[in-house]
This record gives sequence, C-alpha cells and structure tokens, in this order.
Amino acid sequence: GENVEQHPSTLSVQEGDSAVIKCTYSDSASNYFPWYKQELGKGPQLIIDIRSNVGEKKDQRIAVTLNKTAKHFSLHITETQPEDSAVYFCAASELTGGGNKLTFGTGTQLKVEL
Amino acid sequence: NAGVTQTPKFRVLKTGQSMTLLCAQDMNHEYMYWYRQDPGMGLRLIHYSVGEGTTAKGEVPDGYNVSRLKKQNFLLGLESAAPSQTSVYFCASSSPRLSYNEQFFGPGTRLTVL
Repeated sequence: GENVEQHPSTLSVQEGDSAVIKCTYSDSASNYFPWYKQELGKGPQLIIDIRSNVGEKKDQRIAVTLNKTAKHFSLHITETQPEDSAVYFCAASELTGGGNKLTFGTGTQLKVEL
Repeated sequence: NAGVTQTPKFRVLKTGQSMTLLCAQDMNHEYMYWYRQDPGMGLRLIHYSVGEGTTAKGEVPDGYNVSRLKKQNFLLGLESAAPSQTSVYFCASSSPRLSYNEQFFGPGTRLTVL
C-alpha cells in the first residue's frame, strides 16, 4: 500500500517569512495530492490540491509543487501570518471509480510567531 | 448547508461497551469515509462507502463495523470497545462529480475507552 512521509514534524517561523513542508510517497500509481489544514479541535480543511499531470499550483499565498520522478511534493506558504498557525497534513491517493482513499502524512505543527 | 456533521462530539466508554457514531452530510455526496486520528500518526482510513448499501475496508478496519442505509448517513459501530480504540474519529464525504473528488471533513468525535 501507499506510504506517505512528512517533514518536519514542527516548524516555527517569524511572521512574514516563508514556510515549506515536504512529503514523499511510495506508490507510483498515486495521482492526487491534497494538503489539509487542521485547527485545534476542528476537522481537517482542504487548502490546496494537485494532480500528477501538473507540476505546480498556486492559490494566493499558498503553492504546491510536485516531482513525480522523485515521488515528492511540497507545500509553500509565503508571507506567513499568525492565522496560518495550525497542523498541516499532506496526503496521496490514486483517483479511481472506487472512491478517493487517502493516505495521510503524520502532520506538521506550524507556529507563526509575531 | 451544514456540510458534514458528526454525533456525538465526545463520548467515554468502558471496555467491552458498544456504541455507534453517526455521520451525516447534506451535499448529496456519493462517497463517505471514516478515519481515526491518533497522536503522531496522522489520519488512517477505517472503512469507506462508494454508495448506499455498499461498504469496504480501509487500512485499519478491525474492531469496527459500518453501515450506509441512506445516502446521506454513514454509521460507525464499535461492538466491544477496547482502550486501543481511544482516538478522535473523523467522517468525510466526497463526490466523483467534483473536479478532484476532494473530501470534506466533519468536526470529529473524541472517544475515550477506559
């Protein structure tokens, strides 16, 4: 089955700096890579996702890059703000007609300091 | 439009007791999922359903049963609770009609088994 590794487990940055979280996956059949943000006491919320036919995707201050050959993908947050503080999870799956069975990384606790 | 809701929010059980967690979605999604989240392990898929009356096993199905009698509801049952089932449980839903079949999560149920 798929295995997703995520680093670092904790990340502390100053407000306005950039933050980068990296993930690797093992199954070459995976073709969908979402990123979720989880605030304390809440469920994960999708912030950006990418399919394997695209190398990079941006949405305002957030971007995701994908290297299929190396089997790794990264989340980039620019101009970080205190409200970006949360736990971020990467995930991977093979989109088929039988559901979207996500395998998650272990999470990164991001702290944005004033 | 409430999205994905979960009942109850918190529950404490004694070893050997049984209970059912309820997930409901009002987005007319075909697919529904149950995950558990444990510290340092991310989210792991327990069971999922691709339609009314159908269910399938995920990564960690042992000790759990599920039912999808109505399209909008997905029930997770613990027949004989064990301390190892202490966790936060999240339900999610998705639809193949969405661009990436992205999953929407509920707020979670925190379960403690003594």
